[in-house]
Amino acid sequence: DVKVTQSSRYLVKRTGEKVFLECVQDMDHENMFWYRQDPGLGLRLIYFSYDVKMKEKGDIPEGYSVSREKKERFSLILESASTNQTSMYLCASTALGGLSGNTIYFGEGSWLTVV
Amino acid sequence: QQQVKQSPQSLIVQKGGIPIINCAYENTAFDYFPWYQQFPGKGPALLIAIRPDVSEKKEGRFTISFNKSAKQFSLHIMDSQPGDSATYFCAARRWDTGRRALTFGSGTRLQVQP
Repeated sequence: DVKVTQSSRYLVKRTGEKVFLECVQDMDHENMFWYRQDPGLGLRLIYFSYDVKMKEKGDIPEGYSVSREKKERFSLILESASTNQTSMYLCASTALGGLSGNTIYFGEGSWLTVV
Repeated sequence: QQQVKQSPQSLIVQKGGIPIINCAYENTAFDYFPWYQQFPGKGPALLIAIRPDVSEKKEGRFTISFNKSAKQFSLHIMDSQPGDSATYFCAARRWDTGRRALTFGSGTRLQVQP
């Protein structure tokens, strides 16, 4: 089974802190994603990466950055956390192409509260 | 700008009922339409998906109906069970960019009462 692991499930951070959310996948997937989930808004794409050291902005990249130094690891960084970044963050991955590239696999989410 | 609009926001049905969740999209470049199911405390998981070259797809008790001309698709759950209680998300993906990221609807919280 594909496993996408988000190391931190619950975090509480102070306004202005730098926050790192880590994600690791074990299926050698080329594509990795960070989504944010908020009630009534669904899942919104923050950033994605289609290769090591490659990244592309999603729909709501402001206030976030990402890092992909190794194929299996994709990190989301909040440079200076703000209260409006309180949310659940979901990491996901998928293969590059073919039928297997259609399924996106999600981690279990990281609940971030910024106080 | 919401590219995939989902309704209703919440839905309550009795066991055995047939809940229907609807989605509409605007971008004709979308070519892949999955539904994801999410249980509390878990990440979303792929439930069923359809491509625009067919009008219906069934997998077990779950059916997607697709209307290309109306740019709408829906999820039907036959003989619904309390274990189907979850949040359901429709989604879509563009073919023209090679971008494999999905655009999601806002979600429907389904409760199936015993």
